[in-house]
Amino acid sequence: NAGVTQTPKFQVLKTGQSMTLQCAQDMNHEYMSWYRQDPGMGLRLIHYSVGAGITDQGEVPNGYNVSRSTTEDFPLRLLSAAPSQTSVYFCASRGTGGQIIGYTFGSGTRLTVV
Amino acid sequence: AQKITQTQPGMFVQEKEAVTLDCTYDTSDPSYGLFWYKQPSSGEMIFLIYQGSYDQQNATEGRYSLNFQKARKSANLVISASQLGDSAMYFCAMRGLSGGGADGLTFGKGTHLIIQP
Repeated sequence: NAGVTQTPKFQVLKTGQSMTLQCAQDMNHEYMSWYRQDPGMGLRLIHYSVGAGITDQGEVPNGYNVSRSTTEDFPLRLLSAAPSQTSVYFCASRGTGGQIIGYTFGSGTRLTVV
Repeated sequence: AQKITQTQPGMFVQEKEAVTLDCTYDTSDPSYGLFWYKQPSSGEMIFLIYQGSYDQQNATEGRYSLNFQKARKSANLVISASQLGDSAMYFCAMRGLSGGGADGLTFGKGTHLIIQP
């Protein structure tokens, strides 16, 4: 049981380049979300999805796109990378049911934009 | 809108002592959930404990307990008998439970806890 898998673990981009951060979960979770973590800021919600085909914006969505074509995958796209997007990115998922449990997080992607 | 405030950027605690990490929150949701996560230096986010706003009793998980005071809007994490392995960043987070199609967690800025031998 792999849980939430994020790839790549590290990435360096040049300003203006685009890329996709991958996130996959094998727990059949309906809810998935993306966060960025900056020093001294905690984690901030970028986008989230409540099921396949349904996505919405979080607190800091500008410069990022998402889609959810399957239950398992929730990729995050940077359209034109900027130095301000240098951060650690976390993907998380949660299930539903009678007992609320904590979100399961991936191990993160450390992105540097130069 | 939701807001989480953690007022202790860093704490030093002697091994085996109990430690309380402060968390206050603000929300307009009548029903909400409060979470604590641990982030060791390796970077992963580890779920510790959950408290629902309508739970009658404070949550406990092993050495972790959540001191929930709804009227004060506080959800402090208590770690009993601290260990060197407890050294990490600790984040308080919340999510509204009233529906409306929204999801995701709102996090505080965290507390860096260092356990000294």
